[in-house]
This record gives sequence, structure tokens and C-alpha cells, in this order.
Amino acid sequence: DARVTQTPRHKVTEMGQEVTMRCQPILGHNTVFWYRQTMMQGLELLAYFRNRAPLDDSGMPKDRFSAEMPDATLATLKIQPSEPRDSAVYFCASGLSLYEQYFGPGTRLTVT
Amino acid sequence: DQQVKQNSPSLSVQEGRISILNCDYTNSMFDYFLWYKKYPAEGPTFLISISSIKDKNEDGRFTVFLNKSAKHLSLHIVPSQPGDSAVYFCAASVAEKLVFGKGTKLTVNP
Repeated sequence: DARVTQTPRHKVTEMGQEVTMRCQPILGHNTVFWYRQTMMQGLELLAYFRNRAPLDDSGMPKDRFSAEMPDATLATLKIQPSEPRDSAVYFCASGLSLYEQYFGPGTRLTVT
Repeated sequence: DQQVKQNSPSLSVQEGRISILNCDYTNSMFDYFLWYKKYPAEGPTFLISISSIKDKNEDGRFTVFLNKSAKHLSLHIVPSQPGDSAVYFCAASVAEKLVFGKGTKLTVNP
């Protein structure tokens, strides 16, 4: 049963610290998405990649967020420095198209 | 400015009855609509979708209706089951992106 995996599942950190979230997409999927879920905004697209190339990262605060795919089995989302307003659940999803996205279980980030 | 709105944060129905979840959108360029279901501590899972050229799509107990003139989408679940209790997200696609609503929490009471 192929699944998207995300680590860590929970992260508590202090303001100003660097946070790295990792995602392993389903093998064979060529598109990877990063979303953020908050009570206020719901699910927002932060960035997405196709064949490891970033296609759109317009949803990310550029000054502190960065997303990469070092290889086809790993996608990372980094926040440096982290701020309390970054507290949210971050989801990674992979698929073969925009309309076929399989979500991971999410990383719940709390920045104090 | 939210392009996809789910105005009801929550909905409660009795088992066996119909659940109707609603979604309104503002962007007439949306060409495809999807519903996702999310259980606590899990990621959203795809439920059903509809192209903008159709007005109805059915899959078992789930039917999605699209009214383009009203820019309105609805998901019908008949009959509702306790296992359907979850948060339902409406999403719409444009320019290689999915735009999600904030979700509606459905509770199906036994």
C-alpha cells in the first residue's frame, strides 16, 4: 500500500530556529505539492514540483521559506527563521497530475 | 480574498439521511472541481470530482452537482453513515493549481 510519508509528524520549536520538514513521495509520482493548513486560511498551496523542478512557489514567504527536491524520493520544506505565525499543519502530496494528489499525514508545527 | 468558500463550518445529520455540503466559488476560470475528505491526524483523501463541462457526477453514495451559472458546487451523501464523519474540503483548479475551501466538518449521528 503506497503512501506519502512525512517526518517529523510533530515539531515544537522556539521562534528563530530553523525547521526542516521532509516528505517521501509515492514511488513513480512526478509531481509533489506542499500545503499549509491553518484555521484562518484553510489549505493553502505553498509550492509544487514536477520532475523535481520547482514550478510554482508563489504561495511561500520567500524570505524565510524554501522548498527543494534533492532527489526523486525526497522533498524538503525549510523555514529559517521560524516565527509563531508559521504554526500550522504542513502537508505534502504527490501524484501524476494536479487532479490526482495523494496526501501525507502532515507535520504539525508549533513555534513558541 | 477567498475564491472557494465553504460557508458552513459544520453540519450534523442522522445516520441514513442525506448530507448536503455546499461550496461557492468566485473565479469563472475554474475548470475542474474536487471534493476531499479528511479524518483527524490524516491527510485529505480524494473523494469525487467533476469537470466544468458537466453538471453531475455520481460515485456510489456520493454525488457532486455543479451549477456554473450560480458558481455553486454541492456534495450529496446518501445514505449518510457514521464513518462519513470527517472534514470535507471543496477544491477548484485553475492555472495548474488547486484552490481549497476551508472545509466543513460533517458529523453523522448513529
